[in-house]
Amino acid sequence: SAVISQKPSRDICQRGTSLTIQCQVDSQVTMMFWYRQQPGQSLTLIATANQGSEATYESGFVIDKFPISRPNLTFSTLTVSNMSPEDSSIYLCSVEDDGQETQYFGPGTRLLVL
Amino acid sequence: AQTVTQSQPEMSVQEAETVTLSCTYDTSENNYYLFWYKQPPSRQMILVIRQEAYKQQNATENRFSVNFQKAAKSFSLKISDSQLGDTAMYFCAFMRGSGGGADGLTFGKGTHLIIQP
Repeated sequence: SAVISQKPSRDICQRGTSLTIQCQVDSQVTMMFWYRQQPGQSLTLIATANQGSEATYESGFVIDKFPISRPNLTFSTLTVSNMSPEDSSIYLCSVEDDGQETQYFGPGTRLLVL
Repeated sequence: AQTVTQSQPEMSVQEAETVTLSCTYDTSENNYYLFWYKQPPSRQMILVIRQEAYKQQNATENRFSVNFQKAAKSFSLKISDSQLGDTAMYFCAFMRGSGGGADGLTFGKGTHLIIQP
């Protein structure tokens, strides 16, 4: 399976600021996804990152709050904008190895907003 | 919309015992996939096992096997000869089969499995 890395691995931010999380894959993949895991909770899909077009957001998530870029087939970023303490979560990217219909996850970014 | 239900928030067994984690789901889709992921304290999500809905045969991966009951919409995970390293959160997940590429995953709330020495 693909090797996935995320930067930063963790961060502590002040409310009102923004943080951009990077997801890098060691091979070209068509599908990339961003998930949020709030403390003690399960994972929730934020959006599908589409190469060459705008991301597709799930209900409850909006582009102004979580802008996503997908400039090529190996890289994506998720920005958490105008952060509040409620944004404190682990943010994970995942990829589907083309044709496998199986998702593999990056190590996650642990975000704490004060 | 799909839902995934894990009714066991926490389970604890002795090392070397066999344990079964339960998962039920609801969907109107005919083409879909089911997964079990493991999340140890490191928070890395690790794929444990995958089941294609159109396959009747239950998936197995070494000590891990599933009991897939499509009509009952049940997808339980059996861990044989449990080891201390199996201690983790286990998430059941559903993915609609989209033909042209993967869809997003819908997760259950998870089961915290503790293996006691």
